[in-house]
Amino acid sequence: QVQLQQSGPGLVKPSQTLSLTCAISGDGVSNNSASWNWIRQSPSRGLEWLGRTYYRSKWSHDYAVSVKGRITIIPDTSKNQFSLHLNSVTPGDTAVYYCARHIAVAKADYYYSAMDVWGQGTTVIVSS
Amino acid sequence: DIVMTQSPLSLPVTPGEPASISCRSSQSLLHSNGYIYLDWLLQKPGQSPQLLIYLASNRASGVPDRFSASGSGTDFTLKISRVEAEDVGIYYCMQALHTPTTFGQGTRLEIK
Repeated sequence: QVQLQQSGPGLVKPSQTLSLTCAISGDGVSNNSASWNWIRQSPSRGLEWLGRTYYRSKWSHDYAVSVKGRITIIPDTSKNQFSLHLNSVTPGDTAVYYCARHIAVAKADYYYSAMDVWGQGTTVIVSS
Repeated sequence: DIVMTQSPLSLPVTPGEPASISCRSSQSLLHSNGYIYLDWLLQKPGQSPQLLIYLASNRASGVPDRFSASGSGTDFTLKISRVEAEDVGIYYCMQALHTPTTFGQGTRLEIK
């Protein structure tokens, strides 16, 4: 059973960097059928996908335009986890942050593709 | 970005009665491989979103068969044949065909 366990501070000062970690159990961050995502949720924006990292012979990343230039998602194979770093935060970055796995598996008679495992969520407040 | 539009946004339902939620995407979610990359999620109060339906019509593991879903390239429907108290929460459609992944606004199901 795949599980994602999030950790990180719940309070970040404006202009500083928000950093969260998502530890993976039951799967590997280097699984070449999976991508590892960060999503946030706020009353004003709803569910907002922030970005992902994935391994397909090499590491790749995709980021949302809304946070591009401020976001980095880093895989850590030694600890089997991935992290989110969002710099220059403002109160507008206040949200519940989730990590999530998206997987696509193709077999002879079966195809599965879904964002099927989510972390427990971390409430992050940006305030001085 | 693909815009996902859900209706209704609020859905009061009497236990035992059916319920239906619609989702429309601004572009087709039909891939050339024949699969439709539309998922349905349920966020129960105080919890993370959880997968209900993947690839437009497939129930995720452990999801009761009172949940069903269907749809074409841009129009999708989630149905609950007989609503139970445990079904309360916010239902989201999401697409993962195009980057960025995008979500609907959510439909809040409540028990009358």
